[in-house]
Amino acid sequence: AQSVTQPDIHITVSEGASLELRCNYSYGATPYLFWYVQSPGQGLQLLLKYFSGDTLVQGIKGFEAEFKRSQSSFNLRKPSVHWSDAAEYFCAVGAGGGSQGNLIFGKGTKLSVKP
Amino acid sequence: DSGVTQTPKHLITATGQRVTLRCSPRSGDLSVYWYQQSLDQGLQFLIQYYNGEERAKGNILERFSAQQFPDLHSELNLSSLELGDSALYFCASSVNLAGEDTQYFGPGTRLTVL
Repeated sequence: AQSVTQPDIHITVSEGASLELRCNYSYGATPYLFWYVQSPGQGLQLLLKYFSGDTLVQGIKGFEAEFKRSQSSFNLRKPSVHWSDAAEYFCAVGAGGGSQGNLIFGKGTKLSVKP
Repeated sequence: DSGVTQTPKHLITATGQRVTLRCSPRSGDLSVYWYQQSLDQGLQFLIQYYNGEERAKGNILERFSAQQFPDLHSELNLSSLELGDSALYFCASSVNLAGEDTQYFGPGTRLTVL
C-alpha cells in the first residue's frame, strides 16, 4: 500500500537559514508527489508537485523539491527561511492515476522560525 | 483564496446528532474530495466524487455519507456522531480525475462533538 513518511515532527530554524524537510514515500509505480503548506486555522495550499520530467521542481514562495527515485524521497528545500514560512508542511502522494486521484498524506512537519 | 468554499466554518454539536457539511468546488472543477484531519489520524481521505458519481472511497465510516449534486456542490453527512468524530473536515476539488491534477483545498469545517 502507498504511504508517506515525514520523519521530522517539528523543526526549528533561524530566520535566514536554509531549510530541508524530508519526505519518503512508498509506491509501486512512478508517483505523483505534492507538498502542501497549512498555516494555523487555514486550509492547505499547494507549494509544488511532481509527476514527470525534471526531478527538481520549483514551487511558490521560493520552495523547491527534488525527486530521487533511488531513495524514494521528495525533500522540500528553501535557501533562506522567512518568519512567514512558519506553518505545517505536508508531503503527499497521489494514490493512483486514472480515475482515482485521492492523496495520501504524511503526518506533517511543523516548522518554527526563530528571529 | 483557493476558490473552494466550505460551510459552516465551525460546528458544535452533541453525541448522537447528525450534521451536514457543504462544499462548493472551484468553478469548472468536476471532482470533489473529502478529507478528515484529526490529531491522532492526521489527514485521511474519505471519499471522492466526479461529476455526480462516487469514484473512490477511503477510510469513511458507514455512519458517514456524501453526495455530489448536479450543480457540482457536495455535501458530507455525518450521523450518530461520536466524540472521536471531532476533527477538521476539508473539501478539495480538481478539474478531472487524473492523479496529477492539482487539488485545491477549502478552508475546512471544524466539527466539535461534545
